[in-house]
Amino acid sequence: GAGVSQSPSNKVTEKGKDVELRCDPISGHTALYWYRQSLGQGLEFLIYFQGNSAPDKSGLPSDRFSAERTGGSVSTLTIQRTQQEDSAVYLCASSGTPQGLNNEQFFGPGTRLTVL
Amino acid sequence: QQQVKQSPQSLIVQKGGISIINCAYENTAFDYFPWYQQFPGKGPALLIAIRPDVSEKKEGRFTISFNKSAKQFSLHIMDSQPGDSATYFCAAYRDRGSTLGRLYFGRGTQLTVWP
Repeated sequence: GAGVSQSPSNKVTEKGKDVELRCDPISGHTALYWYRQSLGQGLEFLIYFQGNSAPDKSGLPSDRFSAERTGGSVSTLTIQRTQQEDSAVYLCASSGTPQGLNNEQFFGPGTRLTVL
Repeated sequence: QQQVKQSPQSLIVQKGGISIINCAYENTAFDYFPWYQQFPGKGPALLIAIRPDVSEKKEGRFTISFNKSAKQFSLHIMDSQPGDSATYFCAAYRDRGSTLGRLYFGRGTQLTVWP
């Protein structure tokens, strides 16, 4: 079946502009995660949605970052007033079934964001 | 604060050799330790995972060794092949608590296998 998809695959923007990154998780998965991957920094957790529970936003680096998940499926990560340090690959992952606890997280290919 | 520490940062191995990547953690609440493999331009993909109730898990050429008392775990790739050249991430998470399901990643190891 289809995996996690993300769009756009690449985004170049100017400093100070807002950007929206989209994630389509695997159908039926209850959990959705956003991570950020910067060169040499590994994967940094940003935010986590689980079913109808309040999201875990503890990884968001500033109030310029926000995310929502509509209808328990598609998620959008929004970065306002982008800064050069926001340049990174933004990865989305999904996991879990309604019956069980979280298990394997399946990652999308990522969105490469470049802020000029 | 890096909750999972990974070494080395890069590793070069000859074809047929053994690749070893090490990770250490502090939080004893972690109860699931996956390894992810990432090729350029792709997202990470689960390679193999272990829970702390076993000391070793083997899948094909890939083996995880787990030392609960030392809070360390490692990935061994036997008979390394050029196709194994990728970035490897160790990770940890716990199935309970407010951060349910969140993965804590190491910084990654870039493995290059020479033919």
